[in-house]
Amino acid sequence: GAGVSQSPSNKVTEKGKDVELRCDPISGHTALYWYRQSLGQGLEFLIYFQGNSAPDKSGLPSDRFSAERTGGSVSTLTIQRTQQEDSAVYLCASSLAGSGSANEQFFGPGTRLTVL
Amino acid sequence: QKEVEQDPGPLSVPEGAIVSLNCTYSNSAFQYFMWYRQYSRKGPELLMYTYSSGNKEDGRFTAQVDKSSKYISLFIRDSQPSDSATYLCAMLKGSNYKLTFGKGTLLTVNP
Repeated sequence: GAGVSQSPSNKVTEKGKDVELRCDPISGHTALYWYRQSLGQGLEFLIYFQGNSAPDKSGLPSDRFSAERTGGSVSTLTIQRTQQEDSAVYLCASSLAGSGSANEQFFGPGTRLTVL
Repeated sequence: QKEVEQDPGPLSVPEGAIVSLNCTYSNSAFQYFMWYRQYSRKGPELLMYTYSSGNKEDGRFTAQVDKSSKYISLFIRDSQPSDSATYLCAMLKGSNYKLTFGKGTLLTVNP
């Protein structure tokens, strides 16, 4: 199946360490999104990439969070100096287009991050 | 007040029951309304998608939107144990791309 894939599926790290989470979107999808899902908070938008446009980083919770999308395909979400409150499931989604009524976002299985 | 409110449950029903899941929202700019189903340890998958007020039916699932009351519902008829999952409502404003989610309702259908 050619769905959205994410790696690793689980990541346990110590407070203060940096982590990198990877997302491989569906081939041909120009839009890519990162969301965070934590207990009690639901799904929260983090960042959006559309083609070659500047990303919308308005959902990133602090400057410890950053993301890149190389070659319009694979994306990496980096969290520096992790804190315990960063523990959550990080979900990536992709869609054919970035907006409009047919903008169905397909989600990956997520990376479960635990910061000890 | 959050833009989208959803009762987290949990909701437990016997097999064959009719299930009603609901969300309310506060921002009248929302125009597109979705229901996602999320199984444990999986990503959300789109179940139903509606635009503006009205009903939409797909098999055992019916999505209902009442924009005047800022209230959306998902009905599941003849519920099955395989329907056991977390159901998330989500909304989009106009041509925007940021989905705003409810917190999700955990549903268990008991055989």
